[in-house]
Amino acid sequence: DQQVKQNSPSLSVQEGRISILNCDYTNSMFDYFLWYKKYPAEGPTFLISISSIKDKNEDGRFTVFLNKSAKHLSLHIVPSQPGDSAVYFCAAMPSGIRSQGNLIFGKGTKLSVKP
Amino acid sequence: KAGVTQTPRYLIKTRGQQVTLSCSPISGHRSVSWYQQTPGQGLQFLFEYFSETQRNKGNFPGRFSGRQFSNSRSEMNVSTLELGDSALYLCASSLMVAGVRKTQYFGPGTRLLVL
Repeated sequence: DQQVKQNSPSLSVQEGRISILNCDYTNSMFDYFLWYKKYPAEGPTFLISISSIKDKNEDGRFTVFLNKSAKHLSLHIVPSQPGDSAVYFCAAMPSGIRSQGNLIFGKGTKLSVKP
Repeated sequence: KAGVTQTPRYLIKTRGQQVTLSCSPISGHRSVSWYQQTPGQGLQFLFEYFSETQRNKGNFPGRFSGRQFSNSRSEMNVSTLELGDSALYLCASSLMVAGVRKTQYFGPGTRLLVL
């Protein structure tokens, strides 16, 4: 059973508008969440993370929101640029064993930003 | 600082053969994790090494193994290859600070095709 779910396999957004990528998780033991961006033929690139003690983390055009009660997080990209077109992966790490925690990934959302 | 490097980048093997993939982590990173990415299953954790010891293992058969050397470089080996082993194999390295693993940074991956 998937513990991290990205229910939208794809998203298309106009340049300059906001992109919102969503992620749901089922395991309440997750306490650290990350977003990675992946271009074809490259490895995932770390974008932004958030700890469960926060509900928002911002880095430039990227903001991640965490709603623990709903077990939901989202990545906002504002404004969206054509270079943001990539596959975005949500990942989670369980608490208590951060020294040995492996990342559990969603299946990704392909973002297309149209000029 | 150089990123995570993986060799080879592409590999073609036939069923029944074995393969060894190599990963050099970012300088100073002693934790190395391996992931398999397939279209159907997404990114799945294989195993993690720290200080030459495997500390965590995903749900993969024993045909998948790995090791880490004293310079933190890591190799993974897949024996008796099956068609379903065709995938992108990603290596990620991270710092360990006070027993807590920090953000994982990924290499470009090795694309393995099993015929």
